[in-house]
Amino acid sequence: DVKVTQSSRYLVKRTGEKVFLECVQDMDHENMFWYRQDPGLGLRLIYFSYDVKMKEKGDIPEGYSVSREKKERFSLILESASTNQTSMYLCAGGAGGKSSYEQYFGPGTRLTVT
Amino acid sequence: GQNIDQPTEMTATEGAIVQINCTYQTSGFNGLFWYQQHAGEAPTFLSYNVLDGLEEKGRFSSFLSRSKGYSYLLLKELQMKDSASYLCAVKSNDYKLSFGAGTTVTVRA
Repeated sequence: DVKVTQSSRYLVKRTGEKVFLECVQDMDHENMFWYRQDPGLGLRLIYFSYDVKMKEKGDIPEGYSVSREKKERFSLILESASTNQTSMYLCAGGAGGKSSYEQYFGPGTRLTVT
Repeated sequence: GQNIDQPTEMTATEGAIVQINCTYQTSGFNGLFWYQQHAGEAPTFLSYNVLDGLEEKGRFSSFLSRSKGYSYLLLKELQMKDSASYLCAVKSNDYKLSFGAGTTVTVRA
C-alpha cells in the first residue's frame, strides 16, 4: 500500500516566520510535487522535483523554495510566511518517465498564518 | 497557460446518473485524469484517458475527445458515499498536472 506522509495536519505560524513542510514517500518514486489548494482555485503546483537535488518551478513558486536531499523526502519552505500563504498544502509522489501517470497524494497540511 | 473548466456544483439523487463535464485548453497534452476528493481528505486517482473514447471502470466511466478539448466523468448508480469533489486534471508534459477547480457532487437520498 503506497503511502505519502506529511509532517503536520494542522499548523499555525506567525507572519514573518520561516516554515518547513515535510513530505515523505515510501514508493521509491522519482517525482514529487507540492501543491496548494484554495477554494474556487483548485490545486495549483508550487514546485516539483524529478530527481534527488533537482527542482523545477511550478505555476506559483513565488514566496516558496524546496529541498530534495534524499529521494524519499521533499520539503517545502516558506522563507517568510505571509497571510496570503494560508492554505491547504498537498504533497504528491509519482513514478518517473513518460509512461507514468498517477500521482499519490498525502493527507495535506492546513497552514494558517496569522 | 492552462485553462481547465468544470462546473462548480452538481446535485443528484441516490441511484441516479451524473455527468461531470471538463473542457480544457493547454499548451501540451499527455493525458487527462479524474481524481476524487472527499472533504478533508487527499485526492485519490479515479481514471486516466490519453486516447479518444470511453474508459469504463465499474460504476465510473470517463470519456475523452482530444479534438474538442473535452472530457466527462460519468457516475452511475449513485451512492451517498459518492458525495465528494471531482477534479479534472491535464498532464501537459512529462511531469506536470494542471487541475480544474473541482466539481462538488452532492448525493441526496
